[in-house]
Amino acid sequence: KAGVTQTPRYLIKTRGQQVTLSCSPISGHRSVSWYQQTPGQGLQFLFEYFSETQRNKGNFPGRFSGRQFSNSRSEMNVSTLELGDSALYLCASSSGRQGMETQYFGPGTRLLVL
Amino acid sequence: KQEVTQIPAALSVPEGENLVLNCSFTDSAIYNLQWFRQDPGKGLTSLLLIQSSQREQTSGRLNASLDKSSGRSTLYIAASQPGDSATYLCAAQGGSEKLVFGKGTKLTVNP
Repeated sequence: KAGVTQTPRYLIKTRGQQVTLSCSPISGHRSVSWYQQTPGQGLQFLFEYFSETQRNKGNFPGRFSGRQFSNSRSEMNVSTLELGDSALYLCASSSGRQGMETQYFGPGTRLLVL
Repeated sequence: KQEVTQIPAALSVPEGENLVLNCSFTDSAIYNLQWFRQDPGKGLTSLLLIQSSQREQTSGRLNASLDKSSGRSTLYIAASQPGDSATYLCAAQGGSEKLVFGKGTKLTVNP
């Protein structure tokens, strides 16, 4: 099976712009979760989508949003970018049987905000 | 609120040594405890998952244990190799798909 893919891999934006990141899960997986990784805060949970519905949400401002399509692909959007949004954004997919199996991570999108 | 701590933050060992990485968590109401490996600038690779009803899991030279009552997990790496050099992350999973991660242990295995 192909792994989790994320596009783009690298992105440079300026403050105030918005950005959309994409994640394609492993075939057959219905759950997609997003995480932000920074040197200071480590890995933090953003949100999770299952069958096109947001099932869980982390403690991030409303500038961070996402959605999931019928083919389970997911997008994450960040509006009005701030310097502090510079991070590695990782998505992970699983079957969605909560707590029953591991999540498989993509290679990440590295976002730099100038 | 679940908090996960990993000690030490960094570890350097000579090749061939057996080593233990530690992970502690504050809320024992978890579904599972997972260990991941992350190479510089890369995503996470799943190593082992221990369900809350299990005590340990093994894969090759890796063995992970879980003690829910004390809120601890350990990852044992036998006969370490330079290729094992990476950051090792543990994560606790509660009643959702949300993983709460520790900050990781950066392991360097010197030839």
